[in-house]
Amino acid sequence: AQSVTQLDSQVPVFEEAPVELRCNYSSSVSVYLFWYVQYPNQGLQLLLKYLSGSTLVKGINGFEAEFNKSQTSFHLRKPSVHISDTAEYFCAVSTQTSGSRLTFGEGTQLTVNP
Amino acid sequence: DVKVTQSSRYLVKRTGEKVFLECVQDMDHENMFWYRQDPGLGLRLIYFSYDVKMKEKGDIPEGYSVSREKKERFSLILESASTNQTSMYLCASAGTNYGYTFGSGTRLTVV
Repeated sequence: AQSVTQLDSQVPVFEEAPVELRCNYSSSVSVYLFWYVQYPNQGLQLLLKYLSGSTLVKGINGFEAEFNKSQTSFHLRKPSVHISDTAEYFCAVSTQTSGSRLTFGEGTQLTVNP
Repeated sequence: DVKVTQSSRYLVKRTGEKVFLECVQDMDHENMFWYRQDPGLGLRLIYFSYDVKMKEKGDIPEGYSVSREKKERFSLILESASTNQTSMYLCASAGTNYGYTFGSGTRLTVV
């Protein structure tokens, strides 16, 4: 079975600073990886996904993530954050054997301060 | 714009009540899921369905059941609500291209 660990439960940063949200996964088979964002009192929205091909994946709102198979990581980055990026971010994994079923991490609360 | 619609944003129910949470998707997706979200625990899968009238248990099915009579509708049922089922409930659907589309969530309070 696959699993996901988000290494930071809370990440506070100042506006216009760079940010990295860390995600490690565990699986014995090939994986598909996702990042979702949840704004207060809303459902989750897909930021980006890695299915195959280039290991650097670009998503919405200026976010990108890099799939690193040797380190089993899929860290999310943004070079300059805005107040509006304040939200909770979830990393998720699925495999060919799990089908469309996703396993989620515990979430990282990103707070951008002025 | 494609969407997943959950019938209620907020619900307050009494202990012992039978509670129905409804979810409807308009994307003709085969796969539908119910999660609950609690602080510090992330999203935990309750039940999912790969087809009409088909259901499979997720990681925390105890105290819940589901119904999928039509492809677009997936209902979560709390047979006898308890206070430990107070939570945010999220419905999602997925096609073959991987990745979910989520509803806005239902925040259920059991008193």
